[in-house]
Amino acid sequence: KAGVTQTPRYLIKTRGQQVTLSCSPISGHRSVSWYQQTPGQGLQFLFEYFSETQRNKGNFPGRFSGRQFSNSRSEMNVSTLELGDSALYLCASSQGRLYEQYFGPGTRLTVT
Amino acid sequence: ELKVEQNPLFLSMQEGKNYTIYCNYSTTSDRLYWYRQDPGKSLESLFVLLSNGAVKQEGRLMASLDTKARLSTLHITAAVHDLSATYFCAVDEVASGAGSYQLTFGKGTKLSVIP
Repeated sequence: KAGVTQTPRYLIKTRGQQVTLSCSPISGHRSVSWYQQTPGQGLQFLFEYFSETQRNKGNFPGRFSGRQFSNSRSEMNVSTLELGDSALYLCASSQGRLYEQYFGPGTRLTVT
Repeated sequence: ELKVEQNPLFLSMQEGKNYTIYCNYSTTSDRLYWYRQDPGKSLESLFVLLSNGAVKQEGRLMASLDTKARLSTLHITAAVHDLSATYFCAVDEVASGAGSYQLTFGKGTKLSVIP
């Protein structure tokens, strides 16, 4: 069974630009969550999608948005990038809340 | 606001020794997860604990959950170098009965096992 895939793996952007990250969950998983990992703040929850609906959103500004498609693939978008957005962005898929989450390899975003 | 505290944050131990990592949290959640992360890698799921008194074991690792004390432990038995990694606990803060979930992670415990 293929694991969670994320593209791109590495990205360098300039302040003020926007970026879109993609996540393909494990086949059959309808829940996709996104996390930001930084050395200072650790792992922080961004949002969770299930069947194209955002069910939860973490404490992030509106510049962070996401969506999920009918095939469960998900994208997250960050607009007007700031230096502090440099982080590892992790996507995880699951069958639901009582099941383990499987994490993708992450997208490392560097904002200069 | 849910707080999840792990201790210790850094742990250096010799091979063959036993040790415990503690995860305290501030809500009444009964769903707790443990993950492992190797340097430069993503997270690997270790255990999913879904009820008070849950205990799970895999190899040299054993995790338990005490929801009354709001405490989970990850016990390492006879450590080996391959266990060197950062271990995270995460608590689901969404109320029971809801379909959705939202994990709050601890800061992580960086474990170094010295040969």
